[in-house]
Amino acid sequence: AQTVTQSQPEMSVQEAETVTLSCTYDTSESDYYLFWYKQPPSRQMILVIRQEAYKQQNATENRFSVNFQKAAKSFSLKISDSQLGDAAMYFCAYRSWQGGSEKLVFGKGTKLTVNP
Amino acid sequence: DVKVTQSSRYLVKRTGEKVFLECVQDMDHENMFWYRQDPGLGLRLIYFSYDVKMKEKGDIPEGYSVSREKKERFSLILESASTNQTSMYLCASRISGELFFGEGSRLTVL
Repeated sequence: AQTVTQSQPEMSVQEAETVTLSCTYDTSESDYYLFWYKQPPSRQMILVIRQEAYKQQNATENRFSVNFQKAAKSFSLKISDSQLGDAAMYFCAYRSWQGGSEKLVFGKGTKLTVNP
Repeated sequence: DVKVTQSSRYLVKRTGEKVFLECVQDMDHENMFWYRQDPGLGLRLIYFSYDVKMKEKGDIPEGYSVSREKKERFSLILESASTNQTSMYLCASRISGELFFGEGSRLTVL
């Protein structure tokens, strides 16, 4: 079964600095999607960035970028110029196809604190 | 903007009560999901639905059931609530691979 591992339960960063959140996954499939979701305190979870496994180019969304290493099954999220509003739980997720049906497998999350 | 609305943000129920958690989305999405979120465990899939009247078990369906009579509404039912079902419940709908989440329903079972 596919698994997603976020090895950092908590991380902190100074405002305006850069932080990288780690994610590794285990799969035997060659075609899949990877996601980072953000859950601010008491607010709904939103998609930050996605990566298609067949694309070699790393996805970027403004200050958010990923380092996708397919062979190593690694999918880290880099947040540049961190802002107070980036404080949240971040979940890495893997989208799989099993028996003709789809679902997402989530990691356990990393709590990011941004210090002013 | 996509809007996924969960009927109750906070609920307190007693052991043995029947609990309904309602979720409505306004974007005509076919796929809908119920997740349970617990500290240190991340999100775990309870049930999902690809279309009206269709449902499939997720990773932790025991003690739960679902109903999808209309496309926009996906309900999670706890037939007889137990204390170990105290948790945050997240509903989501999906289009083009992206999940859109509701704000969550925090259920406490006493």
